[in-house]
This record gives sequence, C-alpha cells and structure tokens, in this order.
Amino acid sequence: IVMTQSPATLSVSPGERATLSCRASQSVNSNLAWYQQKPGQAPRLLIYGASTRATGIPVRFSGSGSGTEFTLTISSLQSEDFAVYYCQQYNHWPSITFGQGTRLEVK
Amino acid sequence: EVQLLESGGDLVQPGGSLRLSCAASGFTFTDYTMYWVRQAPGKGLEWVSSIIHSGDSTYYADSVKGRFTVSRDNSRNRVYLQMNSLRAEDTAVYYCAKERVVRGSGMAKGPFEKWGQGTLVIVSS
Repeated sequence: IVMTQSPATLSVSPGERATLSCRASQSVNSNLAWYQQKPGQAPRLLIYGASTRATGIPVRFSGSGSGTEFTLTISSLQSEDFAVYYCQQYNHWPSITFGQGTRLEVK
Repeated sequence: EVQLLESGGDLVQPGGSLRLSCAASGFTFTDYTMYWVRQAPGKGLEWVSSIIHSGDSTYYADSVKGRFTVSRDNSRNRVYLQMNSLRAEDTAVYYCAKERVVRGSGMAKGPFEKWGQGTLVIVSS
C-alpha cells in the first residue's frame, strides 16, 4: 500500500485553518492514523481510526475520510502546531506504511 | 506514565552488527505488540518490525528481512532489535513504539500510541 500526502509543504498563518491530505493506493477502510513530529522529537499520535483523537489531543485537530481519501484539519493554527505530519495505514497489518509527510510552516 | 527508552545506537562499519534495546515501563508490557520504526536523516518514517505480546510472531519490512531479528524479554519489559549485515542505507534514528490496542480487544492493531526518543545508528566506514 502506497500512501501519498499532499501538499509536501503547506504555508499557513497562525489562527487560520490548515487542511492536509492523504491518499491510499487501495482501500484502507478507516484504519488510518495521523502523527505530528517536531524537530528533534519523536512522532506523536494525533488521530486513529481516521477520525478519533488520541488521548490529550486538542479538539482543533480533526480527521475525516475512509477508503482511499483522508484529511487532517487543524481548525485554528497555534504556534506549536507547525511541524511535520504523517499519515499511516494499518489496514494491512502487519504491513504498515507511512506517507512521506507534509511540512506545515508559518506563512 | 508510559515510557520507552531506546539504547544501543552507534557507529558501525558496513557488514557489521548492532543490537538495539528498548526498556518499557508504565504499562502491562505483556499485553501489547511492540514495534521498531526508523527514520533516515531528513527523511520520513519507515516501519521496520513488529513483535506480538507473547513474542511468538514477528514481522519485518522487506528492506530488513533476513538481516534483522526482533525479540522481547517479557520478564524484563524489554524489546530488542538485532541488526546484522548492516548497510549504509540502514543509517537512521530507530524508534521503539507501543501498540495502542491491548491484546484480545478485537480492535485493529496498528496505531503507535507511544514512541521512545530514538537511538541513532550510523553505518559508515
């Protein structure tokens, strides 16, 4: 399964909405997760099951989609949200694949 | 609090071997599948290996199959990655990660709920 994220880089101003996309080469049902990674840090689980926020994740993060098309939306960007975001499919466990990442930068 | 602490990363020559270790705490280790994920410098994330709660089943990415071996010691709450025949392209930060779903729940395995801080492996002459 190939996971393709777009765009590679997204420039958004603080306070605005960010929409990140992830496409699977074949259906992964709702077995899709999103991670956030800041420089020098390990990734952090944000969303699993395509739309369920992980423990402690702010409500401004939301996920949607099923099958092959998925979206991560950050409703009002905070300074701490600028990072790299990865999608991951686990529908075909034990074969797990990640997208190549989207870098969210300050406009 | 769930904690994962990797160790064992080092500079090694091509063709050499290295053993990584991950010490887990803060949860019932025997109830969870564990994973290794790597990230080459400036690149994205790549799943490397998985080992189920009992250690009876293990899985590998094609890129490491036949060279890497994952194991776990449930008496010591540790998971290991034995890496042999190392190549330059194995250079990466290696992360240990914990499964989100407890064994027997019937839910889809795969989200990595918690990650360690990683250990750096450099393969170079």
